[in-house]
Amino acid sequence: AQKVTQAQTEISVVEKEDVTLDCVYETRDTTYYLFWYKQPPSGELVFLIRRNSFDEQNEISGRYSWNFQKSTSSFNFTITASQVVDSAVYFCALSAPLTGANSKLTFGKGITLSVRP
Amino acid sequence: ETGVTQSPTHLIKTRGQQVTLRCSSQSGHNTVSWYQQALGQGPQFIFQYYREEENGRGNFPPRFSGLQFPNYSSELNVNALELDDSALYLCASSPDAGGAFSYEQYFGPGTRLTVT
Repeated sequence: AQKVTQAQTEISVVEKEDVTLDCVYETRDTTYYLFWYKQPPSGELVFLIRRNSFDEQNEISGRYSWNFQKSTSSFNFTITASQVVDSAVYFCALSAPLTGANSKLTFGKGITLSVRP
Repeated sequence: ETGVTQSPTHLIKTRGQQVTLRCSSQSGHNTVSWYQQALGQGPQFIFQYYREEENGRGNFPPRFSGLQFPNYSSELNVNALELDDSALYLCASSPDAGGAFSYEQYFGPGTRLTVT
């Protein structure tokens, strides 16, 4: 069975601080995908990144960066120079195969990030 | 904007009633998944439909059922509502995976269901 653990529940930082959101996962699949989603107060889940299990290269997109370490089953997300607009709930998710070629997502419980001016 | 819409936005029902939630996927997306998100929790997978057939189901009782139509719309039906069914219900569409399951799912804004 798949499991995603986001041990941090709430994080509060002051604007311009760097912040890292942790994600640890469990799976028996050898091929899997990891995702991060952002959920602002409006409720809609916004896709941020997808990473497959064979690609351990770190990725940077603007102020966002992701560190995937298969050895520790972790997929951490860092926001550099945080801004008030980054305030949201962030979910890490693991893709598990269903029948055929489709998949379902298993989510962690989410981390509420508050960025204060 | 993901191109996925859901209706209604909010809904209040009484325990024991039945409810139908609707989702309109992006054109060309043959797969729709439904998730339940209780307050303070991550979304939980309910089931998935692929080309109008149920393709997988999470740990939800049979009173949760769905339909998918050829025009990229779908429904989630819940019978005999219970108080614990109060949650945000999200639908997500994804394109035909074509042999890979890597495609991200595009989520709608959700329907907030309150059962009293």
